[in-house]
Amino acid sequence: AAGVIQSPRHLIKEKRETATLKCYPIPRHDTVYWYQQGPGQDPQFLISFYEKMQSDKGSIPDRFSAQQFSDYHSELNMSSLELGDSALYFCASSLRGNNSPLHFGNGTRLTVT
Amino acid sequence: DAKTTQPTSMDCAEGRAANLPCNHSTISGNEYVYWYRQIHSQGPQYIIHGLKNNETNEMASLIITEDRKSSTLILPHATLRDTAVYYCIALLIQGAQKLVFGQGTRLTINP
Repeated sequence: AAGVIQSPRHLIKEKRETATLKCYPIPRHDTVYWYQQGPGQDPQFLISFYEKMQSDKGSIPDRFSAQQFSDYHSELNMSSLELGDSALYFCASSLRGNNSPLHFGNGTRLTVT
Repeated sequence: DAKTTQPTSMDCAEGRAANLPCNHSTISGNEYVYWYRQIHSQGPQYIIHGLKNNETNEMASLIITEDRKSSTLILPHATLRDTAVYYCIALLIQGAQKLVFGQGTRLTINP
């Protein structure tokens, strides 16, 4: 079965640079979620989108923004990168309603040097 | 969402059943119990969820007490590949629901 696809798998950036992470949800899923997981930490919710509109917001820094496109894929844009942004970034998708569980991609590992 | 409490870590022998407990004493009537696991640095993996009745799928069984204040995830024949952090999460029924990950149980399957 098709899964959530994230790209790139690994990304290395320098401080103050920008990064764009991409997420392709499971076909027919209408909701996308972004999570950040620092070293030794549990995943932390950043933001979610339903039908291209922001549906919920967590601890996402102002330097980050995200959007969901008409084909339901989503991008997380990160600017003025800091060393502390080094983390695993997971995207998940679900079909709203029916208690559809979230399904996660295998993440993008961002390293900021 | 109701707070859940899990043991920090557990060990289980390969081939035996792994029983992972979760307390959710403040759970409300319209909150499901979801279980996910995360194998090292991989994306969290959905395992199972339930409301009131016990549930079983190809991965695991979920036993929910009658008062719904606790539940147990059962992996019937644990393998080394089941070594992971297991998260028990209470989640409201309706709408697009984000998962809030708490501490989780680090389960180690020993040969």
